[in-house]
Amino acid sequence: AQSVTQPDIHITVSEGASLELRCNYSYGATPYLFWYVQSPGQGLQLLLKYFSGDTLVQGIKGFEAEFKRSQSSFNLRKPSVHWSDAAEYFCAVGYSGGYQKVTFGIGTKLQVIP
Amino acid sequence: DAGVTQSPTHLIKTRGQQVTLRCSPKSGHDTVSWYQQALGQGPQFIFQYYEEEERQRGNFPDRFSGHQFPNYSSELNVNALLLGDSALYLCASSIKGEDTQYFGPGTRLTVL
Repeated sequence: AQSVTQPDIHITVSEGASLELRCNYSYGATPYLFWYVQSPGQGLQLLLKYFSGDTLVQGIKGFEAEFKRSQSSFNLRKPSVHWSDAAEYFCAVGYSGGYQKVTFGIGTKLQVIP
Repeated sequence: DAGVTQSPTHLIKTRGQQVTLRCSPKSGHDTVSWYQQALGQGPQFIFQYYEEEERQRGNFPDRFSGHQFPNYSSELNVNALLLGDSALYLCASSIKGEDTQYFGPGTRLTVL
């Protein structure tokens, strides 16, 4: 069964500082990996996704993520955080074809301080 | 182009009652999935509908049922509500064979 671990429940960074959110997955084959962001009271917005090819993927809002098969990781990064990035971030894993079932991690809540 | 829409936005029910939540997928999408997000948790997959049939189901009891209509919209029904059913219910739409789901804003269900 597929699973996702986000080891950091809550992270605080200063505005302008760099950010890295960790994600580890468990899946028997090549996974489809996603990062979503959720602002308070809102639905989920897709930041980026990895299906195949280049292991460094670029997303919206200046985010990027790197797929590392050897570490079963898909960490999200941003070089300079803005106050508007404060939100909850979810890593998710799915699989190819058929009927897509996506498994989410518990989420990492990001706080940005001035 | 309208994204995924859900109704109602908020709902308050009492234990034992039944509830119906509605979802309209993004234009051009034919597959609808439903997720339950309890407070402080990630979304949990309930089930997925394609061509008006349930195609996949997560670990949810039979009290949770759904329907998809010919226009691809969908309903989630929950019977015999429990306090633990209080959550944000998210609908996601996608195109069969493609792998990205787009989420609606959710319906916040409170069971008293």
